[in-house]
Amino acid sequence: AQTVTQSQPEMSVQEAETVTLSCTYDTSESDYYLFWYKQPPSRQMILVIRQEAYKQQNATENRFSVNFQKAAKSFSLKISDSQLGDAAMYFCAYRSDPSNFGNEKLTFGTGTRLTIIP
Amino acid sequence: DTAVSQTPKYLVTQMGNDKSIKCEQNLGHDTMYWYKQDSKKFLKIMFSYNNKELIINETVPNRFSPKSPDKAHLNLHINSLELGDSAVYFCASSLQVMWGNTIYFGEGSWLTVV
Repeated sequence: AQTVTQSQPEMSVQEAETVTLSCTYDTSESDYYLFWYKQPPSRQMILVIRQEAYKQQNATENRFSVNFQKAAKSFSLKISDSQLGDAAMYFCAYRSDPSNFGNEKLTFGTGTRLTIIP
Repeated sequence: DTAVSQTPKYLVTQMGNDKSIKCEQNLGHDTMYWYKQDSKKFLKIMFSYNNKELIINETVPNRFSPKSPDKAHLNLHINSLELGDSAVYFCASSLQVMWGNTIYFGEGSWLTVV
């Protein structure tokens, strides 16, 4: 079974600065997907970014980018130019190869609470 | 338009009661899920359905019974509610057959058992 570890329960960053949230995972699969979800106080789960394991290029979405190290099984999220609206819980998640029918679930890490300091 | 919608959003009920949470998605997805987020914010899958067929059932008590009348709906019925059932329950959906298909979540249903 896959596991996802987020070793930073809480992080804080000054507004406009850059912060990196770490995530490691354990799997024996070669094809899979990794995601970062954001959960603000409203509790809604919002997709931030995703990465296909077969792609070497790191995914980026505006101010959000990842550092995907497949050999090290590491998937960190970098938030540039932090804004007050970025304050939330951030969850790293793993999804098995979709062709592995019956195992399409997301396995989540325990989350990192990000605080933005004005 | 809400892609994945759940009702009710808030539910407070007494121990021993039976309650249902409804979920509907208008994304044309063929796979739907229920996730539970406990008081420590840990998210874990409970069930998944693909085209109305149960695919994943993750060690969930028999008091929890999902029902999928069609592939756009997945309801969760809970019998004999216990204090430990208090949590946020998230419905989600995705396309099963395509690479890169993202799982989209509803807004969550906050269940409090007193």
